[in-house]
Amino acid sequence: NAGVTQTPKFRVLKTGQSMTLLCAQDMNHEYMYWYRQDPGMGLRLIHYSVGEGTTAKGEVPDGYNVSRLKKQNFLLGLESAAPSQTSVYFCASSPGTGREAFFGQGTRLTVV
Amino acid sequence: AQSVAQPEDQVNVAEGNPLTVKCTYSVSGNPYLFWYVQYPNRGLQFLLKYITGDNLVKGSYGFEAEFNKSQTSFHLKKPSALVSDSALYFCAVRAPGTASKLTFGTGTRLQVTL
Repeated sequence: NAGVTQTPKFRVLKTGQSMTLLCAQDMNHEYMYWYRQDPGMGLRLIHYSVGEGTTAKGEVPDGYNVSRLKKQNFLLGLESAAPSQTSVYFCASSPGTGREAFFGQGTRLTVV
Repeated sequence: AQSVAQPEDQVNVAEGNPLTVKCTYSVSGNPYLFWYVQYPNRGLQFLLKYITGDNLVKGSYGFEAEFNKSQTSFHLKKPSALVSDSALYFCAVRAPGTASKLTFGTGTRLQVTL
């Protein structure tokens, strides 16, 4: 099992460019999450999904959009990247509320 | 809104000594509580969880945590620290319910020295 796979692992964007981060899980999990990790701020929830076709806003959703068209994939989009979106992005999935989440290896994004 | 507080940015302990990493939470209803560990340039790894039952839960690598409802705390403990335990530790909380978020604290860096 691959678990949770994030693509790409590294990316440098120019301000104003757009991109999509892909998260894929092969564990048939219902719940999927996108977090960003910044020094001293821990992990902050951007968006999450409780099932195929559903999405919800987390703590810091502005500037991001998501889609969950297939159960195994959760896409995070940046329409117009800003330097403030420089961060490490983590995707996670979980089979249910009482179960632990499994994390991907992260995507390091730099916006210049 | 639910939240997690990890009051210590860093905890320093000598190898062989007991360690405690503190966590307090705020959530509506009975909480689901989790501890994760992050090694450099890696994703988060699950250590242990409290859902219901015994207040003392045991997890991976000799770690344990005690749930205290009256103090809304879920402190992570280990009787004897190892240098290899040095890492970033995160506490997380989720409220029961199908649409609940998983909220993390800001993390505590554990430094174990010889």
